[in-house]
Amino acid sequence: GESVGLHLPTLSVQEGDNSIINCAYSNSASDYFIWYKQESGKGPQFIIDIRSNMDKRQGQRVTVLLNKTVKHLSLQIAATQPGDSAVYFCAENPPGSARQLTFGSGTQLTVLP
Amino acid sequence: EAGVAQSPRYKIIEKRQSVAFWCNPISGHATLYWYQQILGQGPKLLIQFQNNGVVDDSQLPKDRFSAERLKGVDSTLKIQPAKLEDSAVYLCASSARLGQFFGPGTRLTVL
Repeated sequence: GESVGLHLPTLSVQEGDNSIINCAYSNSASDYFIWYKQESGKGPQFIIDIRSNMDKRQGQRVTVLLNKTVKHLSLQIAATQPGDSAVYFCAENPPGSARQLTFGSGTQLTVLP
Repeated sequence: EAGVAQSPRYKIIEKRQSVAFWCNPISGHATLYWYQQILGQGPKLLIQFQNNGVVDDSQLPKDRFSAERLKGVDSTLKIQPAKLEDSAVYLCASSARLGQFFGPGTRLTVL
């Protein structure tokens, strides 16, 4: 079946640098995407979402970019902090799925001091 | 606003025993989801409810898993009998429109 996947399983960045986490999705008809942050022992935390009629959306220190041409999603975190260390998942809402989400396997972000 | 509540947070049982997990969604959220998350993987949907009706349970192993949301608010997920491969975190999420909000999960260990 179709699924969302991530390019890199792990990412290490220096504190204060910007982080970019990438995601490739396979269903070109998906119309809604979410990035989640999951810290150890906790449930996924909603970070930011984007609809397919947009190519960029900004939040507090985070930006999501959507490139529908190559079915690519990215999460940019500005001035990465130690508290940003976590696993990041992208999720897509395939059409006709009654608002269900398909998750990728996640990227482990580690912020180095 | 209070988030999604789940209990217990941790559970250890032996194989062939039964276990139940409870979820209380965000107030007013009509849609409730149960997911299974194996270590190192993304959450996998088990069942989706809309109010007290099942929208999709195609991924639920019905020979051993059951779930209910009788009054359209809180929900219970049961496993009977448990197998070793059921060791995972069981996540509950709820939504009102787009976007799903997750609870802290229940970590199940089957010995």
